Amino acid sequence: DAGVTQSPTHLIKTRGQHVTLRCSPISGHKSVSWYQQVLGQGPQFIFQYYEKEERGRGNFPDRFSARQFPNYSSELNVNALLLGDSALYLCASSWGGGGETQYFGPGTRLLVL
Amino acid sequence: SQQGEEDPQALSIQEGENATMNCSYKTSINNLQWYRQNSGRGLVHLILIRSNEREKHSGRLRVTLDTSKKSSSLLITASRAADTASYFCATDAGETSGSRLTFGEGTQLTVNP
Repeated sequence: DAGVTQSPTHLIKTRGQHVTLRCSPISGHKSVSWYQQVLGQGPQFIFQYYEKEERGRGNFPDRFSARQFPNYSSELNVNALLLGDSALYLCASSWGGGGETQYFGPGTRLLVL
Repeated sequence: SQQGEEDPQALSIQEGENATMNCSYKTSINNLQWYRQNSGRGLVHLILIRSNEREKHSGRLRVTLDTSKKSSSLLITASRAADTASYFCATDAGETSGSRLTFGEGTQLTVNP
């Protein structure tokens, strides 16, 4: 079975642009969460979606938004990119809405110049 | 902000030795999960221990949890060069908060051949 997949693997943008990152969860999983990992730090929670509804939002500005589609895949959108948005963006899927193992994808590395 | 703190920040050992990493956290949890990350790639799930469990084993891994001290430890026995990676603990407060994982800063483990 395929694991969590993310696209693209790498991305270079300039300040002020917007970016869309995509994630496909493990088949049968209904929850997708997004994390940002800045170099040298642990991942930080951005969003969780379960059954296409937002279940949680971390301490990130409104420039960050996400959605989950009927097939449970998800998009993370970031507008008005800042240099500080450069990071590894990780997607995780789990079967239910909470208290379970989360399985992570390989991540999308975003560089903002 | 990070809830957990891992100790030590970096650990260098010889192949065959045991490696112990510690994690402390601040709030009540439903479960605690340990992950491995190789060179800034995706996170690989190692083990999940629930708040009502005290010890769990998986192959060469042994995890303990002390909820009274709000701490956990990960022991890797008979380490191998391939165990070289960053190790993170992550706490999950439970279903009321969805699947929000709060990560520590990680321990960088180097196993020398």
